[in-house]
Amino acid sequence: DARVTQTPRHKVTEMGQEVTMRCQPILGHNTVFWYRQTMMQGLELLAYFRNRAPLDDSGMPKDRFSAEMPDATLATLKIQPSEPRDSAVYFCASGLDGLYGYTFGSGTRLTVV
Amino acid sequence: GENVEQHPSTLSVQEGDSAVIKCTYSDSASNYFPWYKQELGKRPQLIIDIRSNVGEKKDQRIAVTLNKTAKHFSLHITETQPEDSAVYFCAASKGGSYIPTFGRGTSLIVHP
Repeated sequence: DARVTQTPRHKVTEMGQEVTMRCQPILGHNTVFWYRQTMMQGLELLAYFRNRAPLDDSGMPKDRFSAEMPDATLATLKIQPSEPRDSAVYFCASGLDGLYGYTFGSGTRLTVV
Repeated sequence: GENVEQHPSTLSVQEGDSAVIKCTYSDSASNYFPWYKQELGKRPQLIIDIRSNVGEKKDQRIAVTLNKTAKHFSLHITETQPEDSAVYFCAASKGGSYIPTFGRGTSLIVHP
């Protein structure tokens, strides 16, 4: 089975530190998005890319979050500086124009202390 | 933009009973409706989907129905088993450059 690979799986960091999460989408998929999941907010869309172009990042706190796709095999989500309220599970998912469902990665569980 | 409402937020059933989760959407142009199952501590996984040119789709114990006029779609699970316990998310999409919209999830608990 083709998989979306996310690294790291777990990250514990101190407040104020930079955090970078990486995602390798499935080869051939042209849509990639980042979601944040918390108990209180459910799945929150942070960023959405189609053919590597960012289409929507309105759900992302711009002052500290940034998302990029430097090439078709890598998507990154960066938080700088990190805050305790950023503690959550961050999922990356990829799909083919969204019409055949999305495959989610295993997620990065981020804890900011 | 699209708005997806999902109900109920929690559903508790006895093993062997049926479970129904309902989602409504606002954008009549949405044409693809997937359902995801997320077990505790794991990733959401696609379990079934339906497109706007179909009214119903079945896969063993799960089925999805779509009512385009009323703009709602539902997930039906028959003969529930404890391993069906999970959070289920619905979504609505138009494909292409349009952003998929997820419901807030339903926590299904199946009691043995």
